[in-house]
Amino acid sequence: DGGITQSPKYLFRKEGQNVTLSCEQNLNHDAMYWYRQDPGQGLRLIYYSQIVNDFQKGDIAEGYSVSREKKESFPLTVTSAQKNPTAFYLCASSIRGAGGELFFGEGSRLTVL
Amino acid sequence: GESVGLHLPTLSVQEGDNSIINCAYSNSASDYFIWYKQESGKGPQFIIDIRSNMDKRQGQRVTVLLNKTVKHLSLQIAATQPGDSAVYFCAEKAGNNRKLIWGLGTSLAVNP
Repeated sequence: DGGITQSPKYLFRKEGQNVTLSCEQNLNHDAMYWYRQDPGQGLRLIYYSQIVNDFQKGDIAEGYSVSREKKESFPLTVTSAQKNPTAFYLCASSIRGAGGELFFGEGSRLTVL
Repeated sequence: GESVGLHLPTLSVQEGDNSIINCAYSNSASDYFIWYKQESGKGPQFIIDIRSNMDKRQGQRVTVLLNKTVKHLSLQIAATQPGDSAVYFCAEKAGNNRKLIWGLGTSLAVNP
């Protein structure tokens, strides 16, 4: 079955450590996105990529980095520069880069201890 | 029952009743609108979308209404079921902007 797989589902990190969240899709979608979700808030865009080897900053890119070496994969690194990294992270993909219907993964919950 | 969706209120309805979730969007240039459902601990799932050249669109048990005059969007769920309990998000997009702008969500609780 086609879909988006995020891993790990739960992750704990000590302050000062970088962590990488995985996102893989087998939907053959060109565009992929990373969102952050905090309680009581909407989804905020971290980074997005419309094509392999290209990506753009979203609204809250500071303290995060991404790569898009393969069409299927769009990993997100939460660096130690991110001051408040505890959140629920959602990866999504779409058929076109125009931001129509998004297909989401199940999310990764990061907790900084 | 009804609720406004730009903060995160809770709309509580009885099973079998109709639900109306409202959303006020911000950009008069927005031409595409979409509703998502997010169950606890999961990613959002697409429900229904509508383009600005329409004012109503129906799906299975759901209807989206668009009023461009007052920049208002609503999602109607008929015969609400316990499985409809979730947070519902509206999102908008302007044609020249590739990013979706998300509302804050409305929590729907269905009482058996």
